[in-house]
Amino acid sequence: EVQLLESGGGLVQPGGSLRLSCAASGFTFSSYAMSWVRQAPGKGLEWVSAISGSGGSTYYADSVKGRFTISRDNSKNTLYLQMNSLRAEDTAVYYCAKDLTTVTNYEYFQHWGQGTLVTVSS
Amino acid sequence: DIQMTQSPSSLSASVGDRVTITCQASQDISNYLNWYQQKPGKAPKLLIYDASNLETGVPSRFSGSGSGTDFTFTISSLQPEDIATYYCQQYDNLPNFGQGTRLEIK
Repeated sequence: EVQLLESGGGLVQPGGSLRLSCAASGFTFSSYAMSWVRQAPGKGLEWVSAISGSGGSTYYADSVKGRFTISRDNSKNTLYLQMNSLRAEDTAVYYCAKDLTTVTNYEYFQHWGQGTLVTVSS
Repeated sequence: DIQMTQSPSSLSASVGDRVTITCQASQDISNYLNWYQQKPGKAPKLLIYDASNLETGVPSRFSGSGSGTDFTFTISSLQPEDIATYYCQQYDNLPNFGQGTRLEIK
């Protein structure tokens, strides 16, 4: 059974940094691209970033480009999102999601974690 | 950027009703469209991929159709457990989602 467990969320001041983690199990982690998708309170879904299975290709939404960095450690089956220069509008539940196939990078979000809440406020 | 417009934004229907949600892309995206269900307080769930393919384990009352710019998501006979918000998502370019359709029981 695929399991994705996010951690690292919390309260941070504007301009601060936070690193999210997503521990994966139940599948061959290195074979699948992974994404981060966020949802502001009471709002819709927003794709944030994706990384290929090998980690060699990364993709970002314009809203986070230059501030967020996605990475993965395939030896630890863990996905990361380093978030710098945080803004109030980054406040959201952050989900990690696994792609549907081994040959796509951000096309499908087949399995999701339970999410971790990031609150940016002074 | 490709804009995805879902309609309606909210919908109230009775158990057993046929429910239809539409999603329009701002440009041709072929069949590069997925549908998700999100129940309150839960993570989204993939229901339909590539416009019309039913994800494994999803009940057959859910279906999708369309290509190009116009897509339709249908629940053939609404069940109480279908109360949720539904999102379309394109992946012709970097992915993005429609604004969602909140479905309620009448």
